[in-house]
Amino acid sequence: ILNVEQSPQSLHVQEGDSTNFTCSFPSSNFYALHWYRWETAKSPEALFVMTLNGDEKKKGRISATLNTKEGYSYLYIKGSQPEDSATYLCALGGSNYKLTFGKGTLLTVNP
Amino acid sequence: ETGVTQTPRHLVMGMTNKKSLKCEQHLGHNAMYWYKQSAKKPLELMFVYSLEERVENNSVPSRFSPECPNSSHLFLHLHTLQPEDSALYLCASSQDETSGRYEQFFGPGTRLTVL
Repeated sequence: ILNVEQSPQSLHVQEGDSTNFTCSFPSSNFYALHWYRWETAKSPEALFVMTLNGDEKKKGRISATLNTKEGYSYLYIKGSQPEDSATYLCALGGSNYKLTFGKGTLLTVNP
Repeated sequence: ETGVTQTPRHLVMGMTNKKSLKCEQHLGHNAMYWYKQSAKKPLELMFVYSLEERVENNSVPSRFSPECPNSSHLFLHLHTLQPEDSALYLCASSQDETSGRYEQFFGPGTRLTVL
């Protein structure tokens, strides 16, 4: 059973703060690493799919890095806004069709 | 709007009922998925369909029965469920199922309560 760990479990920040959270996974089982953003009462939405060690991807104020050798990925949000409040999910993609998800990090941005 | 729709959004059923969840994707994808999310647990994969054939059954009890009549539609037939089956059921689709490299597009989910 693959274990995908996300930390912290939840996070409160003030509007304008920058923040980051972590996804850890077994490096021996790496195929792809996904980040999803899930707002309450909406569908999870893909942010990034990363496949190469050292990958860095960016979408607006959100960016992510990947270290496959040590088995972790960081998600960064610069200048957090209230609309960034959501659960951020990390998932390990395997060659056997499966995405194994972490429990997520719940981010609350206070105005 | 992700291009994946699910109906109903909420469902309450008794343990002896039979009901079905429906998912439809308008993205031209080849793969479709059912996931379950229980309280305080990560999303768990239940079934994967590729080109209308089931390629993964993740040890799901037989009281959950999937059906994929074509590449755009996916059903989850429910019968004699237990209260512990109460959860959010999410459908997703992706371009291809043969690797974990393609992002998945999710529907909004069906919140199921079993009394």
